[in-house]
Amino acid sequence: IAGITQAPTSQILAAGRRMTLRCTQDMRHNAMYWYRQDLGLGLRLIHYSNTAGTTGKGEVPDGYSVSRANTDDFPLTLASAVPSQTSVYFCASSRGTSAADTQYFGPGTRLTVL
Amino acid sequence: GQNIDQPTEMTATEGAIVQINCTYQTSGFNGLFWYQQHAGEAPTFLSYNVLDGLEEKGRFSSFLSRSKGYSYLLLKELQMKDSASYLCAVRDSNYQLIWGAGTKLIIKP
Repeated sequence: IAGITQAPTSQILAAGRRMTLRCTQDMRHNAMYWYRQDLGLGLRLIHYSNTAGTTGKGEVPDGYSVSRANTDDFPLTLASAVPSQTSVYFCASSRGTSAADTQYFGPGTRLTVL
Repeated sequence: GQNIDQPTEMTATEGAIVQINCTYQTSGFNGLFWYQQHAGEAPTFLSYNVLDGLEEKGRFSSFLSRSKGYSYLLLKELQMKDSASYLCAVRDSNYQLIWGAGTKLIIKP
């Protein structure tokens, strides 16, 4: 593994189902993030974690939850999926949370909720 | 509220120069990032500006004016592979990144 990996690559999900998107990084970065990207809108932050064991809410957290049990993994769970959660989901990480810390992105998960 | 504005789409010719503008109104300012995103792929880092002025990195340069809330990305000697979306993001007072919707750049031969 080199960088950030996400799974699955794409998924079609029935409304009401539970789904966990996986994210793993091998750069020993402290901070990790989940974004969603929708056509015509900028990346929107869902949840973030500044360090293992801590998480915080971003701009659009409703309907999503996260955990950060260790440095490498940052799964995103949709407890009961709704069609408005159809989007491309990107996981990102950064060495720290200072001003200049660059965020590096995983390849994304394309999720369709029907 | 916080706002990042970029043109939705721009077209340029291979070999030419193009300037992509970004204006911002945010709660605080702790730097501005430019990312490149090819269709169907992840955003990749291009540049970071925190002080006023021009930062040059090969064919790409990025400019910042904090007093005007303005930045631009300058791409020289355009190549077909430069066809992509270019995302502007500002780090606000909470150290979170606020993202523009991106500018889709189309390069024509």
